[in-house]
Amino acid sequence: AIRITQSPSSLSASTGDRVTITCRASQGISSYLAWYQQKPGKAPKLLIYAASTLQSGVPSRFSGSGSGTDFTLTISCLQSEDFATYYCQQYYSYPGYTFGQGTKLEIK
Amino acid sequence: EVQLVESGGGLVQPGRSLRLSCAASGFTFDDYAMHWVRQAPGKGLEWVSGISWNSGSIGYADSVKGRFTISRDNAKNSLYLQMNSLRAEDTALYYCAKAVGAAAGTVTFDYWGQGTLVTVSS
Repeated sequence: AIRITQSPSSLSASTGDRVTITCRASQGISSYLAWYQQKPGKAPKLLIYAASTLQSGVPSRFSGSGSGTDFTLTISCLQSEDFATYYCQQYYSYPGYTFGQGTKLEIK
Repeated sequence: EVQLVESGGGLVQPGRSLRLSCAASGFTFDDYAMHWVRQAPGKGLEWVSGISWNSGSIGYADSVKGRFTISRDNAKNSLYLQMNSLRAEDTALYYCAKAVGAAAGTVTFDYWGQGTLVTVSS
């Protein structure tokens, strides 16, 4: 199974900051990587797919990059509503999709 | 508006069975693959199972293979997960998720339900 290592596991930042979250796959997954945002008590929300394509309706302050094994999610100017937990997911290997462990983004 | 509503969760003893359902609306159900993803309390996301639009392709996580069975009824716009031989480690919130395409593989999930909680305990 493809393992996904996501870092950091938690992150403190302030409104207006730029933050970056990374995911590393244990083997190449081309661009088959998605990013989700999850708020407490809510279902995950798709932000980015194909490593860098913004899902419809997602603000442009979110961006993704990478291919192969190394990927990043960047939030360029944090807003209050962005404080949440973020997960990456590889969908290259099926069956056997795997998620990163999650990054909890908290207010500093 | 896309809606996915899960049901069927509850408290069940180890070794027993439970059947989850997901009622879909707001899109053409038989155009899309569907998946189940679970989240143990306070933990991360784990993909469980997926099924293509016509049930021709089905996949399971190793952790549930041989115990869980996914199915769908396109006439009823419904997705199911039959869970047998349940274990304590199956305790989780189970989400139904719509794939972005008809195939079960190499697709992400663009809509999720709110989940149904399964608790396996004696």
